[in-house]
Amino acid sequence: QKEVEQNSGPLSVPEGAIASLNCTYSDRGSQSFFWYRQYSGKSPELIMFIYSNGDKEDGRFTAQLNKASQYVSLLIRDSQPSDSATYLCAVRVDSSYKLIFGSGTRLLVRP
Amino acid sequence: DADVTQTPRNRITKTGKRIMLECSQTKGHDRMYWYRQDPGLGLRLIYYSFDVKDINKGEISDGYSVSRQAQAKFSLSLESAIPNQTALYFCATAGGEGHYGYTFGSGTRLTVV
Repeated sequence: QKEVEQNSGPLSVPEGAIASLNCTYSDRGSQSFFWYRQYSGKSPELIMFIYSNGDKEDGRFTAQLNKASQYVSLLIRDSQPSDSATYLCAVRVDSSYKLIFGSGTRLLVRP
Repeated sequence: DADVTQTPRNRITKTGKRIMLECSQTKGHDRMYWYRQDPGLGLRLIYYSFDVKDINKGEISDGYSVSRQAQAKFSLSLESAIPNQTALYFCATAGGEGHYGYTFGSGTRLTVV
């Protein structure tokens, strides 16, 4: 069974701090990695994707991938209360393009 | 209009009833997916389709069936609903943007009583 693991949280950080969200995956053949943000009762929204080892930055968000250690992380700089949501890590493992999702980490940014 | 539209948004049905959830998209994507989301369990794949003639089971297909009526339409049916099918259901599409990340519909909250 291919698995994607995330700490359920909540991860609580003060406004303006860096939030660090982590995800590990079991399948070494995993090809692509995605971070989604989901507000309560809403649908997931894609915020980052990464294919290659290293860092990828987009505004306040940085995705980090380490295939050797099988983990992917998401850093949110200058966290805002509006960033409070559940963050889902997703992994594509084969050519079918289906994604396997972690159960999500709830982030709470305190004003 | 939303790129991926799901109907209904909310539905309460009785045990044993047949119910259909519908999904349509205007993104022109070839790949479409149905997931259910339960608290603490994340998103789990029910069925997926690459085109009208290509339907595949996901990890939790028992008790569900699907129909890809056209490239833009993908319906999920519960043949005889049971209470543990109470969940939030999402349709998603992929393709075209290169990264093949999903675009989700707004979801259907289904309650089986």
